[in-house]
Parts: sequence; structure tokens; C-alpha cells
Amino acid sequence: SQELEQSPQSLIVQEGKNLTINCTSSKTLYGLYWYKQKYGEGLIFLMMLQKGGEEKSHEKITAKLDEKKQQSSLHITASQPSHAGIYLCGAEGNHDYKYIFGTGTRLKVLA
Amino acid sequence: GAGVSQSPSNKVTEKGKDVELRCDPISGHTALYWYRQRLGQGLEFLIYFQGNSAPDKSGLPSDRFSAERTGESVSTLTIQRTQQEDSAVYLCASSLGRGRRTSTDTQYFGPGTRLTVL
Repeated sequence: SQELEQSPQSLIVQEGKNLTINCTSSKTLYGLYWYKQKYGEGLIFLMMLQKGGEEKSHEKITAKLDEKKQQSSLHITASQPSHAGIYLCGAEGNHDYKYIFGTGTRLKVLA
Repeated sequence: GAGVSQSPSNKVTEKGKDVELRCDPISGHTALYWYRQRLGQGLEFLIYFQGNSAPDKSGLPSDRFSAERTGESVSTLTIQRTQQEDSAVYLCASSLGRGRRTSTDTQYFGPGTRLTVL
């Protein structure tokens, strides 16, 4: 079965530093989604990547999907305390509509 | 509001009691999903509704779990005879839904219901 692995599991950075979170699939991804989750809040949709080599940016967050569509990275430039939370990657299964999710990366940004 | 809403936001119950969780999807979204997230774990798919088709219940962990959806609107997830291992955040998501399988379909999540079974 398809699985998504995220790394690192947790990350603590100083404000202003750049960071990268990775999401790796055991199989070719059909669509890759990045979400952010804060305690007490629902998941917030960040970006969706579908094409190999695709890259999207929103404010200081950039997500990329590799050409083979098996790995995605989320890069935050000049991190801020507001970036803190849990970042989840999710993907659609190749043979069904069910989503699978990584276990998340817990990000803490020190002011 | 324009987003997915869920109620209650928090629910504390005693072991053995039944609970009902509610989800109001985004208007016009034909697809609705329920997920469970246990502490420190990833999201676990529970059930999927798409329009008037029979729901996919393959993710429900036991027969104590059931869900219903009225047309393309509100959905309720019911857990009977709750157990401590049912404690989790239950998330609902909705999407426009898909016609052909080749299309992608972004899911939008509600804030979740935090269930604690004592």
C-alpha cells in the first residue's frame, strides 16, 4: 500500500532561518497536498502539486514536486513564529480516491 | 460561513456512552470525508460520501462507528458504546467531488471535534 513519509518529525528553528520539510512516497503521487495544522484549529490547505517538476509559492512558503512525482519538499524562507504548527503532506491514492497523509512535521519557531 | 463547520468542538464522554458528531460541508460540495487523528498520529480515513452514491465505509474501524449524510448537506458520525481508544480528533472535509477519476479534488477541512472518552 502507498505510504507517505515525512521528515523531520519535528523541527525547532530560530526566527529568520530557512527550513525544509520533505515528504516521500513509496509510489508515484497522483496529487500532493500540503496542509498546516494548528492546535485547536482545522487543517489549512496550503498548496496542491500535480505535475512533475511543479513548484508553487505562497508568501514565504514554496512547495516543489520532483519529476518522478514521488517526493515533495516544503521550504519556508525567513521563518516567523506564525509559521509554527504541524505541517502535513497528503496524497490521493493512485487507484482510489482515498487520501493518505504523512505523520506530520511539528515546527517550532523561536523568537 | 463559507467553510466546513463541525460541532461540537470538544466532547468529553464516559466509556460506554454514544456520541454524535456533526459536519456541515461547504455548500455545493458533493463529496464529504470523515477522518480520525489520534494523538501524535497521522490522519486516518474513515468514510467517504459522494453525491447519492453508496458511501465507502471501508475505513470505519468497527461496527460501533456509523455515519450518515442527508443528500449533499449535513453529515453525522455516530460512535456507539465509546471506548477509550476512540479518543481522538475527528475531522470532516468536503470537496467539489469528482466526475472523472482523472481530475483532482482539493479537500477543505473543518476545525475538528476533539473527543475524549474517560
